[in-house]
Amino acid sequence: SYVLTQPPSVSVAPGKTARITCGGNNIGSKSVHWYQQKPGQAPVLVIYYDSDRPSGIPERFSGSNSGNTATLTISRVEAGDEADYYCQVWDSSSDPYVFGTGTKVTVL
Amino acid sequence: EVQLVQSGAEVKKPGESLRISCKGSGYSFTSYWISWVRQMPGKGLEWMGRIDPSDSYTNYSPSFQGHVTISADKSISTAYLQWSSLKASDTAMYYCARLIIAVAGTSRAWFDPWGQGTLVTVSS
Repeated sequence: SYVLTQPPSVSVAPGKTARITCGGNNIGSKSVHWYQQKPGQAPVLVIYYDSDRPSGIPERFSGSNSGNTATLTISRVEAGDEADYYCQVWDSSSDPYVFGTGTKVTVL
Repeated sequence: EVQLVQSGAEVKKPGESLRISCKGSGYSFTSYWISWVRQMPGKGLEWMGRIDPSDSYTNYSPSFQGHVTISADKSISTAYLQWSSLKASDTAMYYCARLIIAVAGTSRAWFDPWGQGTLVTVSS
């Protein structure tokens, strides 16, 4: 089955930029979606179609996807952005909906 | 507002059966698949399976096939996840989520929104 690899943790100072990577074989040929999960809460969609934002998601959240790596970028990081972030794709294998391993973002 | 509301937390003993629910509102329930996702304590998200509420057709992850059953009652806009014999290893948070499939058979498919989660604890 398809595997998505994320760094376990990313630390960033308030006001700076956080970049969270999601690695997969030729992931650039797929559409990547990103979810934010704050402690004790359900996941929330923050990016779909690589770089589109659902209504209500701040413009500070952006995404890109090329080659073997997709990236979620959070600009002007705020304390409220502290959360776990998961990437997700669909694959044609028998286990079609694949989530990344998750990245914990800590705001210093 | 599109919303999925799940049933409350459950505490069960090994070997017992259980059914948890997920009620959709604010949209046409039969127009979107519903998926179930497991999150074990301190771990990541795992896709379990999905159901088309219009005809109750289901797909399961190989990891969960035969261990759980997904069903739906479209007359009350509710999907279910059930176990016939729980194990301690089933202890986890379970989320339902609406599956948006923009283009069938492609990776243009994502989950939005999610239910608030149902915590299932299995302990003797």
